[in-house]
Formats: sequence, C-alpha cells, structure tokens
Amino acid sequence: RKEVEQDPGPFNVPEGATVAFNCTYSNSASQSFFWYRQDCRKEPKLLMSVYSSGNEDGRFTAQLNRASQYISLLIRDSKLSDSATYLCVVTYSSNTGKLIFGQGTTLQVKP
Amino acid sequence: DVKVTKSSRYLVKRTGEKVFLECVQDMDHENMFWYRQDPGLGLRLIYFSYDVKMKEKGDIPEGYSVSREKKERFSLILESASTNQTSMYLCASSPLGQGYNSPLHFGNGTRLTVT
Repeated sequence: RKEVEQDPGPFNVPEGATVAFNCTYSNSASQSFFWYRQDCRKEPKLLMSVYSSGNEDGRFTAQLNRASQYISLLIRDSKLSDSATYLCVVTYSSNTGKLIFGQGTTLQVKP
Repeated sequence: DVKVTKSSRYLVKRTGEKVFLECVQDMDHENMFWYRQDPGLGLRLIYFSYDVKMKEKGDIPEGYSVSREKKERFSLILESASTNQTSMYLCASSPLGQGYNSPLHFGNGTRLTVT
C-alpha cells in the first residue's frame, strides 16, 4: 500500500462547479500536511498547508481527518485557471524533513 | 528563488555520459532536495541535504551522487547515465528554522532524456 494515495482522475468539471479531492495516508504518525498545485510541465507550487482545525483560502478549503487518516481539498466556483494537478503531501514526525508526495489528482475545468 | 543552473530545461544525453545538474537557491535555506518525477510514480526523493557537506539518501539514491559544498548550491551527479534515468528532475529547498516539516520551494526543473 502506498504511503499517500490519491485518485489520479482526471476530474472533468464545468466552470463554476464545486469539486473535492481526497487523499489518504497510511502512517498515523503523520505530522504535517500540504496541498501543492502543479501545472503541466511546471514545478509544483505550494497551494496551502492543512491545519487540524481546517482552513480556508478564498475558494479553497482544506480539511484534515486524523481518525480516518485523510485530507481533503474543496474548490468552489471552479475557474478554467484551476485546471492543474493537485498533489497531496505528508510528513511524519520520525522523518528527517522528507515530504511524501501523492501521485496527484488531475483537474480539468471546462468552459 | 530556486533555480537549476548549468543545464537547460530540456537536456538530452547519451548512455554512459556524465550528467551534472546544479541547483542554486537565494533564500538562505538550510535544506535542499533532489526529486525525480515520473508518470504513474509521482515525485520520488533521490537525495537531500540539511547542511553544507551533509547529505542523506532518499528513496531512490542508486545511480546518483550529490555534492553540497556551499549552502546555496546542491548538485546532482549521474556518473554514467542510463536510459532508466530519463525523467523530470526537480530541485527544492526549505528553511530549517521552521522545522523539518516546512513546505518546499521548487525550482523549475530539468527534463532529462537519456538515449
């Protein structure tokens, strides 16, 4: 079983739709969680950190469920520019700084 | 910024050639990382360094070596390139002061093809 798992998609949604991605992790000792965005043939960029209480940044909401060991990313009012691959990232307390990346979920927003 | 220097965004090398990728960051970050990214496999850590002259193996170090002589530079070396090292190579850095779990800043990456 992979340490961090995501549905690769693609998720095809119309503009204005709300879409949600989940990411599951296997190690209960996980400490920090992030969502990264990666555009085609570009480097990943930090989208947002995920806090225990959940957090929101504009149209994006991230949530953490430690009991079920998953994090989620909700995008409201999807824009064409949201089309990208979204990478889930987890670190562990016993880890020396390595981040474990999921394979990513591809989102395609259609006009 | 984090940048991969001394190589273009797209690099083609022959099997057996030595390949040198250098990553430079101007953010005064202690931690630096080299990843490769392949379809269906995601990002995999090759090596990382949390201080000058320090290096740690990642998940797939075989066939690679690294060098960190200065804080701002972290080099990845393929002593004898092989076709299975065809991949997108990404360098990243993060500050130690915020703890080991701080997010990464990625450079633009180099797509290497070994023929």
